[in-house]
Amino acid sequence: SQQGEEDPQALSIQEGENATMNCSYKTSINNLQWYRQNSGRGLVHLILIRSNEREKHSGRLRVTLDTSKKSSSLLITASRAADTASYFCATDARGGGNKLTFGTGTQLKVEL
Amino acid sequence: DVKVTQSSRYLVKRTGEKVFLECVQDMDHENMFWYRQDPGLGLRLIYFSYDVKMKEKGDIPEGYSVSREKKERFSLILESASTNQTSMYLCASSWGLTGDTVGTEAFFGQGTRLTVV
Repeated sequence: SQQGEEDPQALSIQEGENATMNCSYKTSINNLQWYRQNSGRGLVHLILIRSNEREKHSGRLRVTLDTSKKSSSLLITASRAADTASYFCATDARGGGNKLTFGTGTQLKVEL
Repeated sequence: DVKVTQSSRYLVKRTGEKVFLECVQDMDHENMFWYRQDPGLGLRLIYFSYDVKMKEKGDIPEGYSVSREKKERFSLILESASTNQTSMYLCASSWGLTGDTVGTEAFFGQGTRLTVV
């Protein structure tokens, strides 16, 4: 079962603009994580937010978590062409023993 | 740096063959995972291992088995490959739960693109 569903499926923006991706999930979680995947490669971890946190920052990344709505958002500010990639949310469900369940991803294209 | 290494980047196998995908991590991680990734479906968990010789089925275990005889190595086995198992296979590892830890990031290999003909 897909725990996370990202929205939108695809996003195209101009360099310098902000990109926002959303993730919804179904069950109680220990934490939620965001990953990035360049075309045809493995995933790289970006940021982890715990269930008792509401917002977290890392460089140009800002993640929010709303456990009452079971949703999260990833904001990339001042986007660059190098940010072009697919972005996935992953949930570590409570009682799931560290298993990570991924969503379907958002394909971000940043154009010059 | 953590390194997760998958034995092959690209693999072509025939229908009915027994296929082994190998994954090795060098960080003494307790947890190891096998996912398959298909367009529009994201990553789906095939099997998960939280210790040597321990395994749990994921969401799509049918047609697959796994082996974890040593902590650093997690193998995915396709008992009799079929064309619907053509996919990108991703291995990952992470630390296990300790004390008040509530989960940690996963480190991924570069992926194996398997084609079954």
